[in-house]
Amino acid sequence: DAGVTQSPTHLIKTRGQQVTLRCSPISGHKSVSWYQQVLGQGPQFIFQYYEKEERGRGNFPDRFSARQFPNYSSELNVNALLLGDSALYLCASSLGQENTEAFFGQGTRLTVV
Amino acid sequence: EDQVTQSPEALRLQEGESSSLNCSYTVSGLRGLFWYRQDPGKGPEFLFTLYSAGEEKEKERLKATLTKKESFLHITAPKPEDSATYLCAVQAGGGATNKLIFGTGTLLAVQP
Repeated sequence: DAGVTQSPTHLIKTRGQQVTLRCSPISGHKSVSWYQQVLGQGPQFIFQYYEKEERGRGNFPDRFSARQFPNYSSELNVNALLLGDSALYLCASSLGQENTEAFFGQGTRLTVV
Repeated sequence: EDQVTQSPEALRLQEGESSSLNCSYTVSGLRGLFWYRQDPGKGPEFLFTLYSAGEEKEKERLKATLTKKESFLHITAPKPEDSATYLCAVQAGGGATNKLIFGTGTLLAVQP
């Protein structure tokens, strides 16, 4: 069984650019959440999507947006990149909207220079 | 404000030396407490979910316990391959979301 897959694994962008990160959840899981993890910290919640609708949003600026597709895969977009956006971006897959167990992908390491 | 605090920040053990990691939390209505293991540069790996005070779960050399204010991750006779960062997270409140609130983790190093 394939787990949560994220692409790309690494990315280098310049300040001011835009980036799109992708996530495919575990087969049968309908909820996808995005987290940002900076070095030395725990992951911080960005968004949750369930059945293609936003179900939760963390304390992140409007430069961050996401969407979920009919096949439950998801994209996270970040506009006008700042140096402080450099982090490991994690996607988590859950069976349902409030289902408690979340399984993470390997992450996308974003470096903004 | 919901908060999760983990201690110690770092722990160095000799192989076979048992110890415990602590996760204390203050939340408005605990729905679940989670333990994850994270290797450098990788995503967190799910270990346990605990839902109510008094609950315990075990997996190989790891045992997680839960009280009304904190959780412990007990590591019995650790091996070098147990070296990793251990993250604690909670789900709280009655909202229709599965948002996890994480602590900053405990970095465990087990020396042979």
